[in-house]
Amino acid sequence: AQSVTQLDSQVPVFEEAPVELRCNYSSSVSVYLFWYVQYPNQGLQLLLKYLSGSTLVKGINGFEAEFNKSQTSFHLRKPSVHISDTAEYFCAVSDQAAGNKLTFGGGTRVLVKP
Amino acid sequence: EAGVAQSPRYKIIEKRQSVAFWCNPISGHATLYWYQQILGQGPKLLIQFQNNGVVDDSQLPKDRFSAERLKGVDSTLKIQPAKLEDSAVYLCASSSAANLNTEAFFGQGTRLTVV
Repeated sequence: AQSVTQLDSQVPVFEEAPVELRCNYSSSVSVYLFWYVQYPNQGLQLLLKYLSGSTLVKGINGFEAEFNKSQTSFHLRKPSVHISDTAEYFCAVSDQAAGNKLTFGGGTRVLVKP
Repeated sequence: EAGVAQSPRYKIIEKRQSVAFWCNPISGHATLYWYQQILGQGPKLLIQFQNNGVVDDSQLPKDRFSAERLKGVDSTLKIQPAKLEDSAVYLCASSSAANLNTEAFFGQGTRLTVV
């Protein structure tokens, strides 16, 4: 069975500082990995995804993530955050054995301070 | 392009009452998902439709939850009777196909409070 662990439930960060959100997964087969963002009172929006190929994935709004198979991680980074990046971020995993069903982590709330 | 529409946005009911949520996916999207997001947790898939057929309902509590997508377009999720632990945001999503190369688009959700 697949699972996702987001190690930090909350991450406070100052504007223009870098941020890294950690995500570790477990799965017995090849995986597909995703990061979603959820702004207050909104649905989820896809930031980026890793299906295959280059392990460094670039997404929208200046975010990027790196797939590390040996460490079973898919950490999300942004070199300089804005106030508008205040939101909750979810890591998700899927694999063909699960019928491409997404399993989400518990989320990391990012609070950007001026 | 219109997004995924859900209604109502908020609902408060007493335990043991019934409630229904409605979702209208993006036009032309064949795949529709219902997720339950309990406060402080990530979304959990309840049911997935491909057109008007169920692809996956393994995590749907079938003794009290039901969902339908009769004409392969909009969908209704029902809870009867509701329990306190059903308090959550119910998210609907749709995609043009049921594979991971196609993005799923989410609605704003319906926040249910059971008292």
